[in-house]
Amino acid sequence: EVRLVQSGPEMKKPGESLRISCQTSGYIFPNYWISWVRQLPGKGLEWVGKIDPSDSYVNIRPFFRGHLTISTDKSTDTAYLQWTSLRASDTAMYYCARQQYANSPSDYWGQGTLITVAS
Amino acid sequence: SYDLTQPLAVSVALGQTARITCGGNNIENRNVHWYQQRPGQAPVLVIFKDTQRPSGIPERFSGSNSGNTATLTITTAQVGDEADYYCQVWDDNSGEFGGGTKLTVL
Repeated sequence: EVRLVQSGPEMKKPGESLRISCQTSGYIFPNYWISWVRQLPGKGLEWVGKIDPSDSYVNIRPFFRGHLTISTDKSTDTAYLQWTSLRASDTAMYYCARQQYANSPSDYWGQGTLITVAS
Repeated sequence: SYDLTQPLAVSVALGQTARITCGGNNIENRNVHWYQQRPGQAPVLVIFKDTQRPSGIPERFSGSNSGNTATLTITTAQVGDEADYYCQVWDDNSGEFGGGTKLTVL
């Protein structure tokens, strides 16, 4: 059974760093890309970026470049989304999702990680 | 970027047919994917590559894509179909979602 299990909710202050995780199982991790999707409170889905675990190639939406990074650990079949300096505007639900190729649909999703950034 | 336009809301009577549109410039030249998101839950893929249905998705869900409009059709609408629906395409290697449509079953 394919599963993507994300780390738990986080409450952070502006300026703090954070890394959230997406632990996968049930399939061959390097064979599928991982995308990250943001959902602001009460708003729609917004694609953040994606990574190819086989070679760590990353593509991040220009709006987010320089503000967050995406990585994977093939030894634990885990993907990560990381910030070095959070902003209040980062408050949102973040989903990881699996896709077979770079521009494929996302067929399995994590349950989401809620990040709250407030002073 | 590539803009996708969806109606904010669609309502349908129980047992009737709902159609949710996704507009984009020459969208017929792109593969359109559709996701269902029930309140408090993660999105679920319901249609991919315009018309394909993943395993486990009822036949009541279908898709089409022509000209500047892709359409998700839900026949015999049920209360459990109430959700937000998003279309998605890939543009220049970046994912683009429509703004989402809230489906209400009356």
